[in-house]
Amino acid sequence: DAGITQSPRHKVTETGTPVTLRCHQTENHRYMYWYRQDPGHGLRLIHYSYGVKDTDKGEVSDGYSVSRSKTEDFLLTLESATSSQTSVYFCATHSQGIYSPLHFGNGTRLTVT
Amino acid sequence: AQSVTQLGSHVSVSEGALVLLRCNYSSSVPPYLFWYVQYPNQGLQLLLKYTSAATLVKGINGFEAEFKKSETSFHLTKPSAHMSDAAEYFCAVAGSTSGTYKYIFGTGTRLKVLA
Repeated sequence: DAGITQSPRHKVTETGTPVTLRCHQTENHRYMYWYRQDPGHGLRLIHYSYGVKDTDKGEVSDGYSVSRSKTEDFLLTLESATSSQTSVYFCATHSQGIYSPLHFGNGTRLTVT
Repeated sequence: AQSVTQLGSHVSVSEGALVLLRCNYSSSVPPYLFWYVQYPNQGLQLLLKYTSAATLVKGINGFEAEFKKSETSFHLTKPSAHMSDAAEYFCAVAGSTSGTYKYIFGTGTRLKVLA
């Protein structure tokens, strides 16, 4: 769907270590998003990007940073992973055009021990 | 600020029965609303979207949703449930600020279909 690849698909890491998740898209979509999904909370926006080097914070951005050096790649970094960041992370994109629907990757399941 | 509320985190229906999943929205401007479905270990897929062209929106897999401004609702329905409809369903509202877009999701409703 919309050529969105997330890597890795699964990761287990220890508290305090840095972790980077990658989202790669082949659709040349301008807008990219990182969400986390947790039971009872639905999807919550972490960070988003509206162009190369243009990013902004979402509602749960503490402890996360992002970078977008080219259109196709959007990286999410957990600077020092904590157990509260154990979650499923989804990348999403959408094309130019007002309120076009989001297209999602298949997610990365991250466990912080 | 825009938001959506999904009533019922779990809904069970018998195969062949009506499916009704509830979503209420809050928005100070005409909303753009979406329903997504998530199957296990997958990302979300678009079911349908409301963009003010028509109040009754038809989506994939026989689902439809009706926008009711007076009730601030956008409930999802399907006349006859199938086992393959078992999944988690999310309602979302889209908003725009200074040329950027945000999509706010509800907490989801997990649909169970009983044989």
